[in-house]
Amino acid sequence: DVVMTQTPVSLSVAIGQPASISCKSSQSLVGTSGKTYLNWLLQRPGQSPKRLIYLVSKLDSGIPDRFSGSGSETDFTLKISRVEADDLGVYYCLQGTHFPLTFGSGTKLEIK
Amino acid sequence: EVKLLESGGGLVQPGGSMRLSCAASGFTFTDFYMNWIRQPAGKAPEWLGFIRNKANGYTTEYNPSVKGRFTISRDNTQNMLYLQMNTLRAEDTATYYCGYYGPSGDYWGQGVMVTVSS
Repeated sequence: DVVMTQTPVSLSVAIGQPASISCKSSQSLVGTSGKTYLNWLLQRPGQSPKRLIYLVSKLDSGIPDRFSGSGSETDFTLKISRVEADDLGVYYCLQGTHFPLTFGSGTKLEIK
Repeated sequence: EVKLLESGGGLVQPGGSMRLSCAASGFTFTDFYMNWIRQPAGKAPEWLGFIRNKANGYTTEYNPSVKGRFTISRDNTQNMLYLQMNTLRAEDTATYYCGYYGPSGDYWGQGVMVTVSS
């Protein structure tokens, strides 16, 4: 299985400040189609996970452009340009290139 | 409005079986791959598998961690998704979610809890 390693485990960020989360995969996520199936999800307290970003950098509908994704091959980053109170929760990366699909261990974002 | 509602969870003894159901509405059910994931309390989610859409023959893929014990099926006449779980173990204790990835994002149910304990 592809291992997804996320760092940090947690971070505390003040409103209006930036945040960055790293996700590294144990093998390249470039698929046979040439596409890289790396997603970022947010799980707010008491809710199911919700995808924010797919194909490394594409924002899902309704996701503010404060969120951005970047990276390639095995090294990926989620950035929030200005954290808002609604951003708190646990962020997960998820690879969809190789079976089985695998999640990172999560990064808990707290508001300082 | 898309709705996904899981049911069928609860307490089951080790070695027992359970079938989870997921009632879907608000979208064309046969157009989408349908997934099951689970999440033990305080841990990351785990993808269990999916069943493909009509265009791809409703075939299935499973996580090796549950392959042979869990079976995903769908009733396209009733817009229902199922997860049959056999030979349950304590480590199968989790909240189970059904969901899919649509053109404008992903959709998941609220989850159903399964506890495997004697």
